[in-house]
Amino acid sequence: KNEVEQSPQNLTAQEGEFITINCSYSVGISALHWLQQHPGGGIVSLFMLSSGKKKHGRLIATINIQEKHSSLHITASHPRDSAVYICAGPNFGNEKLTFGTGTRLTIIP
Amino acid sequence: EPEVTQTPSHQVTQMGQEVILRCVPISNHLYFYWYRQILGQKVEFLVSFYNNEISEKSEIFDDQFSVERPDGSNFTLKIRSTKLEDSAMYFCASSGSGVSDEQFFGPGTRLTVL
Repeated sequence: KNEVEQSPQNLTAQEGEFITINCSYSVGISALHWLQQHPGGGIVSLFMLSSGKKKHGRLIATINIQEKHSSLHITASHPRDSAVYICAGPNFGNEKLTFGTGTRLTIIP
Repeated sequence: EPEVTQTPSHQVTQMGQEVILRCVPISNHLYFYWYRQILGQKVEFLVSFYNNEISEKSEIFDDQFSVERPDGSNFTLKIRSTKLEDSAMYFCASSGSGVSDEQFFGPGTRLTVL
């Protein structure tokens, strides 16, 4: 069973700060998902990555397969980035995603 | 841009009643999922569905739950006899090629069991 842990659980930062959210998982996975959950509850997929690094606008996701660790970075953070960020990973060979508990990010203007 | 839709957005029901939650996945996707999020808790996998059958299910997905793709577009989750602890947000998702592909989530159905 894959255990997925995130840190920190809560993060408050000033607008403009560089943000890092970490995710560790316990078993080998085929790909890791980063998701954003808006205050209203909706979930949006940000990244799905199996190696290296991906960038989309101000968001960067990295993964180290050997260390079973991924990070999500936000550059030049903005209040609209305030949301819960969730990482999720499957086990090899099955379709079941295990979710982390999420990191609640609050960006203060 | 294609999106996953879910109906209703909010369902209130009495304990013991049957509910059906409906989802319309993205039209060319082949893999479909239901997830649950109890208020204040993390998202939990319920079931995955591919090629008209369940491919994986969690321990939560007991005999009270069933899924169906009754036609080419809808994907439904049925809870036969709801319990208070079934109150949660239920999300449907779809992907083109399985769990190693990006998943697109619907907006969710909030189920309240009284």
